[in-house]
Amino acid sequence: DQQVKQNSPSLSVQEGRISILNCDYTNSMFDYFLWYKKYPAEGPTFLISISSIKDKNEDGRFTVFLNKSAKHLSLHIVPSQPGDSAVYFCAASALVRGSTLGRLYFGRGTQLTVWP
Amino acid sequence: DTGVSQNPRHKITKRGQNVTFRCDPISEHNRLYWYRQTLGQGPEFLTYFQNEAQLEKSRLLSDRFSAERPKGSFSTLEIQRTEQGDSAMYLCASSSGTALDTQYFGPGTRLTVL
Repeated sequence: DQQVKQNSPSLSVQEGRISILNCDYTNSMFDYFLWYKKYPAEGPTFLISISSIKDKNEDGRFTVFLNKSAKHLSLHIVPSQPGDSAVYFCAASALVRGSTLGRLYFGRGTQLTVWP
Repeated sequence: DTGVSQNPRHKITKRGQNVTFRCDPISEHNRLYWYRQTLGQGPEFLTYFQNEAQLEKSRLLSDRFSAERPKGSFSTLEIQRTEQGDSAMYLCASSSGTALDTQYFGPGTRLTVL
């Protein structure tokens, strides 16, 4: 059962425009959400995260928004650059014994292509 | 380079053979995770360690799979009697084990079972 879902397998955006990648989850126990970027033949690279007590986190060109009532989060990249072309994974985790995070649950990823 | 390292990067083996992969986490991290990724899927959790203790194993981890972290530093993942369905990217990640910590991934080991 897929607890984290990325329903768009691909997204194509022109350079300089905004890229919006979406993610939905089903488990209300998730406390922490992360986005990873992955290039072919490499491991996922951490991009940005957000705790469930926040609704927005920003880091440079990357902003993650969390809507807990809708169990939805999104990653905004602005402005998009050709080097952003990669597969983006949404991941979620829950606190274990109330203190530290456990395993990550990943979506299937969205292939972002930024064209000049 | 102080990131997570994995060896080998690629492994091709024949069905029925045993294989072993190694992961060296970021030095101060006490948590180490193993994930598996197949084509078109996100990484799927296999198991994780806090220091030497293996705290959780996924049902994906059949009896043919065993993981160890004997001294709380590097870890090995062994697959016995490999099957073609074991072909995947095996990813290792480590984290500090503090509240709301982030898992950092290694480059992965690509296993191909012929």
